[in-house]
Amino acid sequence: EAQVTQNPRYLITVTGKKLTVTCSQNMNHEYMSWYRQDPGLGLRQIYYSMNVEVTDKGDVPEGYKVSRKEKRNFPLILESPSPNQTSLYFCASSRLGEEQYFGPGTRLTVT
Amino acid sequence: GDSVTQMEGPVTLSEEAFLTINCTYTATGYPSLFWYVQYPGEGLQLLLKATKADDKGSNKGFEATYRKETTSFHLEKGSVQVSDSAVYFCALKLPSNTGKLIFGQGTTLQVKP
Repeated sequence: EAQVTQNPRYLITVTGKKLTVTCSQNMNHEYMSWYRQDPGLGLRQIYYSMNVEVTDKGDVPEGYKVSRKEKRNFPLILESPSPNQTSLYFCASSRLGEEQYFGPGTRLTVT
Repeated sequence: GDSVTQMEGPVTLSEEAFLTINCTYTATGYPSLFWYVQYPGEGLQLLLKATKADDKGSNKGFEATYRKETTSFHLEKGSVQVSDSAVYFCALKLPSNTGKLIFGQGTTLQVKP
């Protein structure tokens, strides 16, 4: 089954404790992206990647890092999480210029 | 800058009622327009899209027409069902390489039996 998977689905952590949210797709898509969803703001793009080893900032990249060492994986790294990064995170993937497929989301709470 | 504005929710309707969710956009260039749906506890799914002016996207009884003159892409359905209860997002994508989707704030629809 074609899908985008994210892990974990739910995470509660404390300020400053490094964490990684994984994203994997099995559709051989070149393009992958991370969004965060906050009430009243919709989804905003954090980072995106056009292909392996090619990443770039979206609209809200501060406090986040990404890497794209393999085509299927695009982890989101929070080196020192803060409470304002409490949010619902979505990974998406697509062929270049085509429909984006979204993962199920990761709900992160930083206390 | 480029943006999408949706009507505020929540929208509460009875089953079989007519649905309209308003969406307007501001964009440089000629965007593609999308409606995504998010069912409780799930990710976003593409509901319909339109890539140029006057195109009509349709799926599962939902329709939206790309109106360049009014910069709008309103979502409509003639008869909603309880199973349509979800959050609906209007989004645009500019013809650039970034692939970035610009989303509205989302509108929650609740359909009561």
